[in-house]
Amino acid sequence: AQSVTQPDIHITVSEGASLELRCNYSYGATPYLFWYVQSPGQGLQLLLKYFSGDTLVQGIKGFEAEFKRSQSSFNLRKPSVHWSDAAEYFCAVGGNRGSTLGRLYFGRGTQLTVWP
Amino acid sequence: NAGVTQTPKFRVLKTGQSMTLLCAQDMNHEYMYWYRQDPGMGLRLIHYSVGEGTTAKGEVPDGYNVSRLKKQNFLLGLESAAPSQTSVYFCASSDLGIQYFGAGTRLSVL
Repeated sequence: AQSVTQPDIHITVSEGASLELRCNYSYGATPYLFWYVQSPGQGLQLLLKYFSGDTLVQGIKGFEAEFKRSQSSFNLRKPSVHWSDAAEYFCAVGGNRGSTLGRLYFGRGTQLTVWP
Repeated sequence: NAGVTQTPKFRVLKTGQSMTLLCAQDMNHEYMYWYRQDPGMGLRLIHYSVGEGTTAKGEVPDGYNVSRLKKQNFLLGLESAAPSQTSVYFCASSDLGIQYFGAGTRLSVL
């Protein structure tokens, strides 16, 4: 069955510090992988995606993520966090075959707090 | 550049009342989705559609119905609202790649 685990419910970092948000997935094949961000009271905005090819993908706002097939992981990173990065972050697996085609399976989210 | 538009943005219902949430997209996407978001639960898929005239159940379909009479619109109905349906509802559309989300509808059922 398809599933996504975000082990960290809440992370707090100081502004300027580096950030890594963890994501592990379960899927029967190489999935499509996504990171979305949600600011309070807003919808979800796509940060970055992985479909195929280079396993290190760059996204908006200075974020990047690396797909590691052997670890079934797709961790999100940013070298230097800004106060405006405070938000909730969701990792998602996209089905690309059979009955999962077109569907997204979300993790429960990681809330990021940034200290000034 | 409307993208995905949801109406209404807020609604308060009494238990047993009915309502319809409207989702409209202007990207000519075939796929549309309804999710609910509850604290600590992420987004859970209620129903989705792979094209005009089609609908399918997601993870949490009970108590909801949907219709996709026009390609650009996807309606979510609550026939008899219950307090357990208090949530934030998101609509999304996609072309089998990226899903684009609306701003959400915050629903409270008293």
